[in-house]
Amino acid sequence: DAGVTQSPTHLIKTRGQQVTLRCSPISGHKSVSWYQQVLGQGPQFIFQYYEKEERGRGNFPDRFSARQFPNYSSELNVNALLLGDSALYLCASKTTGSSYNEQFFGPGTRLTVL
Amino acid sequence: QKEVEQNSGPLSVPEGAIASLNCTYSDRVSQSFFWYRQYSGKSPELIMSIYSNGDKEDGRFTAQLNKASQYVSLLIRDSQPSDSATYLCAVGGTSYGKLTFGQGTILTVHP
Repeated sequence: DAGVTQSPTHLIKTRGQQVTLRCSPISGHKSVSWYQQVLGQGPQFIFQYYEKEERGRGNFPDRFSARQFPNYSSELNVNALLLGDSALYLCASKTTGSSYNEQFFGPGTRLTVL
Repeated sequence: QKEVEQNSGPLSVPEGAIASLNCTYSDRVSQSFFWYRQYSGKSPELIMSIYSNGDKEDGRFTAQLNKASQYVSLLIRDSQPSDSATYLCAVGGTSYGKLTFGQGTILTVHP
């Protein structure tokens, strides 16, 4: 079975621009979470979506938004990019919204803001 | 105090030795605990999950959980150079699917 897929792999933007990142979960998984990982740190939780509804939000500004589609794929949008937004953005999927289920990560999107 | 703390690294062990990675967490009501392995430039890969007190073994890996002490550990037996990576401890909360990660411990296994 295919794992979590993300696109694009790499992205270079300039300050003030907007970016959209995409994620397709493992087949049968209905929950998608987004994480930001800056170099040298562990991933930081941004959002979780389950059954197309936002179920959790981390400590990120309103410039970050996301949505989940009927096929359970998801998009993460970041507006007014700052240099500090440069990071690896990870998408993870799981079968349900419960904390007991294992989450599996996609390959990530490397965002560089110049 | 950080929510999830891992033992400071980097950790270097010889090939064939046991590598011990430790993690403490602050939220007493945490319910689920995971270890991920992350190779340089790659995304985290799930290697162990544990939900109840005690030990859980999977091949060369053993996860240990002590909820009273708010402590979780990962032992890697017969360490191999291919085990060289950053190991991330992740803790799940009481609702939805948020994982809180530690900062990671870099493990190097030298021949």
